[in-house]
Amino acid sequence: GNSVTQMEGPVTLSEEAFLTINCTYTATGYPSLFWYVQYPGEGLQLLLKATKADDKGSNKGFEATYRKETTSFHLEKGSVQVSDSAVYFCAIPQGGSEKLVFGKGMKLTVNP
Amino acid sequence: GAVVSQHPSRVICKSGTSVKIECRSLDFQATTMFWYRQFPKKSLMLMATSNEGSKATYEQGVEKDKFLINHASLTLSTLTVTSAHPEDSSFYICSANGAGPSYEQYFGPGTRLTVT
Repeated sequence: GNSVTQMEGPVTLSEEAFLTINCTYTATGYPSLFWYVQYPGEGLQLLLKATKADDKGSNKGFEATYRKETTSFHLEKGSVQVSDSAVYFCAIPQGGSEKLVFGKGMKLTVNP
Repeated sequence: GAVVSQHPSRVICKSGTSVKIECRSLDFQATTMFWYRQFPKKSLMLMATSNEGSKATYEQGVEKDKFLINHASLTLSTLTVTSAHPEDSSFYICSANGAGPSYEQYFGPGTRLTVT
C-alpha cells in the first residue's frame, strides 16, 4: 500500500528562521497528499493539501509542492513564528480505501 | 465548514468502569468516521473505521469487544472503552471523511482518557 516517510525531529528553531520538513512518499498512481498540524493538547488540523502531481498547496505561509520526479511533498515556511510550534504530520490515502496513512510526525518548537 | 466535535474533552474514570466518547460532524454528514489512539510523542494509531449503519472495521490487534464502536447516524459515532484499565489511558481522536475524492479527513479535538 501507499506510505510516507517524514523527518521525525524534534526540531527547535528561532523565530523568523526558515523551515523545511521533508516528506517522501511511495504510491500507486498519484493520490492526494496532505500535511496536518497538531497544536499542543488538540486534534489534527488540515494544514494544506495537493490533489495531483505538480500542484502546490499553501496555507498560513506554509507551502508544499507535489513532486512526482522526486516522490516528495516537503513542507516549507520562509519565516516561522512562535505560534507555529506544533507537531506536523505528512499523510497519504492508503490506496483502495478511505484510510489515511500518516508519517510519524515531527515536533517543531520555535523560540522567540 | 467541516467541523468535528468530540465529547468529553477529558475524562477520568476508575479501573473496571466503561467510558463513552462521542464524535459528531457538526455541519456535514459523514458515512465514514475513524477512531485513532495517540500515545505520547507517537504518531496516530488507527483503531477502527466506523461505518454508518453497519459494523465497524477494526485494525489488526484492536480488541473489538473492548473498544465498542457505534455509528448510529450520519453525524454521530461513539467509542465505548469497556472495563477500562490504566493501560487504556491515552488520547483518543476521531475524524470524519469530507465529501469529494481527495480522502481528506477532518479531525475532532481529541479526548484525554485517564484510568486510575
